Amino acid sequence: DAGVIQSPRHEVTEMGQEVTLRCKPISGHNSLFWYRQTMMRGLELLIYFNNNVPIDDSGMPEDRFSAKMPNASFSTLKIQPSEPRDSAVYFCASRVGHQNTEAFFGQGTRLTVV
Amino acid sequence: RKEVEQDPGPFNVPEGATVAFNCTYSNSASQSFFWYRQDCRKEPKLLMSVYSSGNEDGRFTAQLNRASQYISLLIRDSKLSDSATYLCVPGGFQKLVFGTGTRLLVSP
Repeated sequence: DAGVIQSPRHEVTEMGQEVTLRCKPISGHNSLFWYRQTMMRGLELLIYFNNNVPIDDSGMPEDRFSAKMPNASFSTLKIQPSEPRDSAVYFCASRVGHQNTEAFFGQGTRLTVV
Repeated sequence: RKEVEQDPGPFNVPEGATVAFNCTYSNSASQSFFWYRQDCRKEPKLLMSVYSSGNEDGRFTAQLNRASQYISLLIRDSKLSDSATYLCVPGGFQKLVFGTGTRLLVSP
């Protein structure tokens, strides 16, 4: 079975450019999470969706960040404009149901903004 | 108080040692907890689920102390391959907030 699929795996971009990260959750999973991981701050929850609806985006650091989930099999996280401090690994995770089930992570997107 | 707190470590132990680390949580309502393992430059992967007072899987034991609101992970007979970061997360809510993780280094 395919797991959570993220693309691209690596992204290097210049400051000020728009960056779009993509995620395909596991089929049948109805909760989707976007995380950002850095050495300093650990694994931070940015936003999560239940049944394609954004439930809590309080972790999104600034208005430069936005996320969408147009259907059950696809989500995007966009940063516009990007800044060097956005450099991090961004993970997408999905799970069945909304409570008491494990989440499965994608391999992450390593973003470097120069 | 943070939702989930972990000692970042690193915990340095020799092969064969027993090591334990704790994860404290602020919301007492969670009915489940998960321990994840994350290797360097990899994604977190589930190590163990806890739905009652504890769970055991081979060399790994998780114990839940609801009164003091912490969950522990005990690793017996440490192997070199156990070197990783261990993250905990209360799983009983829609929102999955992970601890910062505890780094374990097992040396020969």
